[in-house]
Amino acid sequence: KQEVTQIPAALSVPEGENLVLNCSFTDSAIYNLQWFRQDPGKGLTSLLLIQSSQREQTSGRLNASLDKSSGRSTLYIAASQPGDSATYLCAVIHSHDMRFGAGTRLTVKP
Amino acid sequence: NAGVTQTPKFRILKIGQSMTLQCTQDMNHNYMYWYRQDPGMGLKLIYYSVGAGITDKGEVPNGYNVSRSTTEDFPLRLELAAPSQTSVYFCASSYPKGGQGRNTQYFGPGTRLTVL
Repeated sequence: KQEVTQIPAALSVPEGENLVLNCSFTDSAIYNLQWFRQDPGKGLTSLLLIQSSQREQTSGRLNASLDKSSGRSTLYIAASQPGDSATYLCAVIHSHDMRFGAGTRLTVKP
Repeated sequence: NAGVTQTPKFRILKIGQSMTLQCTQDMNHNYMYWYRQDPGMGLKLIYYSVGAGITDKGEVPNGYNVSRSTTEDFPLRLELAAPSQTSVYFCASSYPKGGQGRNTQYFGPGTRLTVL
């Protein structure tokens, strides 16, 4: 059974710092991996999707990497801003089955 | 496009009551999903559908039913509400119909359900 773990559960940083969020998964036979952002009381917004044949994806200040063999993905956020404060969820995709981690709650202080 | 829409936004049910959570997407996606999110947890898949007339169970299907009579709509039915079903419910869709897509799932804003 696929287990997805995100560390740390919560993170607080001053504005301007670069930071890394971690996601690990137990079954490396995944189709894709996706990172989402969730604001309080809101739905999920897709940030980056990495297909199993890819090693990384970049969008603006965000960079996500994928190492299938070790069961790990990282989300790198450069020059963090208060507007980045949210919960970040990673999800691994097996065909139509998407398994989520519990998320990392990020607070960026001005 | 409105994307994925869900109604209602909030609902309080008494134990044993029934209700249907509505989900509609206007992106012509053939895949649709229902998830629940408990406090401090990730999302868990309840049911999914790969097209009209086809549904399948996810990780936590007990206590729920779904139907998919059209491409656009994927309602989730709770027959006998229980306190354990208190959660936030998200509907999602993916893949353009007939195309390859990239399996990016698009989520609705959620329905917050409390069962007392």
